[in-house]
Amino acid sequence: DAGVIQSPRHEVTEMGQEVTLRCKPISGHNSLFWYRQTMMRGLELLIYFNNNVPIDDSGMPEDRFSAKMPNASFSTLKIQPSEPRDSAVYFCAIPRDYLIYEQYFGPGTRLTVT
Amino acid sequence: QQPVQSPQAVILREGEDAVINCSSSKALYSVHWYRQKHGEAPVFLMILLKGGEQKGHEKISASFNEKKQQSSLYLTASQLSYSGTYFCGGGPRTNYGGSQGNLIFGKGTKLSVKP
Repeated sequence: DAGVIQSPRHEVTEMGQEVTLRCKPISGHNSLFWYRQTMMRGLELLIYFNNNVPIDDSGMPEDRFSAKMPNASFSTLKIQPSEPRDSAVYFCAIPRDYLIYEQYFGPGTRLTVT
Repeated sequence: QQPVQSPQAVILREGEDAVINCSSSKALYSVHWYRQKHGEAPVFLMILLKGGEQKGHEKISASFNEKKQQSSLYLTASQLSYSGTYFCGGGPRTNYGGSQGNLIFGKGTKLSVKP
């Protein structure tokens, strides 16, 4: 069964600090999505990996954001330096099937940048 | 280019019906519907594909008008468990026929079902 572990679940940091969010699919997947959710902008796709390679990173806000997927069981989203406007809930999601009809979302990381 | 959902919010009594609409200005291959309860992650409900195929969910159904690029989600005889925010997401077609998965989501419709 699909399952995703995200860590940390909550992160509070000061402006200017580096933040690393982690995503671990329980069963390895070659495709993975990172989303950001805010009240103002809703649920936005940041980056999409397929075969561990970034396919679409057009949603990454700016150079402060970077993401990696070194293998099918792990991905990171890094923000350096962080800013208050980065405060959001960050989800990673994996497909339930090879056609990617259904995405299974992890529990999310709530990031607060003060 | 974000799909537009309407209404933004709706309040129902248990047993009442509701329709949530989703409209896109871009040509879509697929429309995906998700529900998110407060403090939780979005959960997949169903997908509608160009050509009419759909994968459904218990008492919730949906339609996809390809010409108008509009989709509607129908919640029949609503239950308390239907409360949450409903998102539609539009997906472009890939060369291999599936949905590439890089969805653009609408801002959501908040549904509250009261006893």
